[in-house]
Amino acid sequence: DAGVIQSPRHEVTEMGQEVTLRCKPISGHDYLFWYRQTMMRGLELLIYFNNNVPIDDSGMPEDRFSAKMPNASFSTLKIQPSEPRDSAVYFCASSLGTGAYGYTFGSGTRLTVV
Amino acid sequence: SQQGEEDPQALSIQEGENATMNCSYKTSINNLQWYRQNSGRGLVHLILIRSNEREKHSGRLRVTLDTSKKSSSLLITASRAADTASYFCATVPSPGSARQLTFGSGTQLTVLP
Repeated sequence: DAGVIQSPRHEVTEMGQEVTLRCKPISGHDYLFWYRQTMMRGLELLIYFNNNVPIDDSGMPEDRFSAKMPNASFSTLKIQPSEPRDSAVYFCASSLGTGAYGYTFGSGTRLTVV
Repeated sequence: SQQGEEDPQALSIQEGENATMNCSYKTSINNLQWYRQNSGRGLVHLILIRSNEREKHSGRLRVTLDTSKKSSSLLITASRAADTASYFCATVPSPGSARQLTFGSGTQLTVLP
């Protein structure tokens, strides 16, 4: 397995533009997570899915953020409109089960909003 | 707020020495996990220790867990330059919930050749 695959690796966009981050989890993993990492706030859980269904989105900072998982092999995190304070590294992770196993993280998307 | 807090925030040692990092947490846990993050990369799962376990080994890694003190330690023996990375502890609270794998702020380990 190639692991969790995220795209793009880097994204630079102007304030106000829509940004879409993509993630392909490990086949067979039934949980998918989106995290954001910044120097100030560390790693924050934004939202997670179980069997493609969003379970908890309480970490999503604002209505500008949305996430979907249309099938077991694909998820997107969208920011519309983007703002400079959204600049961060966004990670997708997947796991098997309910926290009894480790998470497998993707390499992340470094987002810069100018 | 972060559940786990690592100590120290930064650690610099010579190659061949042992490195010890500590993690303290606040609430009862189902398990505690340690991850490594190399610069510019994603996190890599190292080891998981369950609340009913006291010690676990994996290669050069040794993890201990003291639930009475709500603390854990990660020992890396015979460190190598390639061990240079940030190390995070993460906890899953009781009862087990995928929602709440909460990460600490990390320890930056530098191993000097």
